Amino acid sequence: TQLLEQSPQFLSIQEGENLTVYCNSSSVFSSLQWYRQEPGEGPVLLVTVVTGGEVKKLKRLTFQFGDARKDSSLHITAAQPGDTGLYLCAGRTGSYQLTFGKGTKLSVIP
Amino acid sequence: GAGVSQSPRYKVAKRGQDVALRCDPISGHVSLFWYQQALGQGPEFLTYFQNEAQLDKSGLPSDRFFAERPEGSVSTLKIQRTQQEDSAVYLCASSLASGPRTNQPQHFGDGTRLSIL
Repeated sequence: TQLLEQSPQFLSIQEGENLTVYCNSSSVFSSLQWYRQEPGEGPVLLVTVVTGGEVKKLKRLTFQFGDARKDSSLHITAAQPGDTGLYLCAGRTGSYQLTFGKGTKLSVIP
Repeated sequence: GAGVSQSPRYKVAKRGQDVALRCDPISGHVSLFWYQQALGQGPEFLTYFQNEAQLDKSGLPSDRFFAERPEGSVSTLKIQRTQQEDSAVYLCASSLASGPRTNQPQHFGDGTRLSIL
């Protein structure tokens, strides 16, 4: 079973600060996805990264896939209260199945 | 509707009762997935359908769990003789993908929160 470790588990920051969350594994993934989940709702896909070393930007969010395709990071610039939620990474090993990490619970305080 | 719909949103059952959870995927989506999400955890894969065929049920925790998708659209996850450890949010997701090795996104429903007393 592939294991995805996410860190930190919890993060509470002030509005306007920058932050980075990490997703690490000993396994190689064919692609990796980041989701955001709000209480009482299902995960919503933010981005898919496929190529080692790939960097994708989505407004204030920057996603990076490690060169070896074993790890990824999500950087948020100038966090806003609307960024509050559970951030999940999920790796695909070449099949249809996604393996999720436990998530990073982010709270952005106004 | 435009998204994946799950019902009921909340289900409370006594230990030992059977429950049935329903998932209406996005119209035309070939692939359907069930996940279990315990409190404070990420979703864990339960089972996968391609149309009406259940191609992978390796994540089902025990033989008390059963899933079906008889007409390749709506799916039902049934749990027999429920136990307290079955308490979790059960998420359904669908995608256009018709085979492995694709990066088609999975669209999730809002889940059914199951509580076993």
